[in-house]
Amino acid sequence: DAGVIQSPRHEVTEMGQEVTLRCKPISGHNSLFWYRQTMMRGLELLIYFNNNVPIDDSGMPEDRFSAKMPNASFSTLKIQPSEPRDSAVYFCASSLRSSYNSPLHFGNGTRLTVT
Amino acid sequence: AQSVAQPEDQVNVAEGNPLTVKCTYSVSGNPYLFWYVQYPNRGLQFLLKYITGDNLVKGSYGFEAEFNKSQTSFHLKKPSALVSDSALYFCAVRVLSGGYNKLIFGAGTRLAVHP
Repeated sequence: DAGVIQSPRHEVTEMGQEVTLRCKPISGHNSLFWYRQTMMRGLELLIYFNNNVPIDDSGMPEDRFSAKMPNASFSTLKIQPSEPRDSAVYFCASSLRSSYNSPLHFGNGTRLTVT
Repeated sequence: AQSVAQPEDQVNVAEGNPLTVKCTYSVSGNPYLFWYVQYPNRGLQFLLKYITGDNLVKGSYGFEAEFNKSQTSFHLKKPSALVSDSALYFCAVRVLSGGYNKLIFGAGTRLAVHP
């Protein structure tokens, strides 16, 4: 089992550019989560999907953020246009079920720096 | 308001001594409680959970946690600390918000185990 795979590991971009973060969940998991980690705000849930359908996107900070899950094995988080305050580590996680009875399995994250 | 708190930013322990990392919570209904650990440049890893049943929960790497309903606490413990236990530890609780289950994380406690 390769675990949750995120790419890229690091992304440095200039303000105003589009950024796309990618995630491959663990095969067989039907829930996928995007979290953001910063020193100031800790871990924040941005959005989660159940069976590829977005369930709760109330944590998405602004319309500049969007997420998709076109199939069970792939999800993207897009920021357009990016701003320096978006600099953070973005984590994708997956789990067997959405009820939180089963643990979340996290990827190693994408460290985003917007200059 | 539903929340989870980790009152200590950092805990320092000598190798071989017992360790405790504190967590308190405030939720409506029965709590689902979790501990995760984060090593540098890695995603969070699940340690243990309490859903129901025995108040003392055993998890990975020799860690355990005690659920105390009257004190609304779920402290993480280990009888004998190892230097390799040094990491960032997160307590998390499932809450119902806006009609959806969410997993919210505490701010994290950095554990430093000294030789």
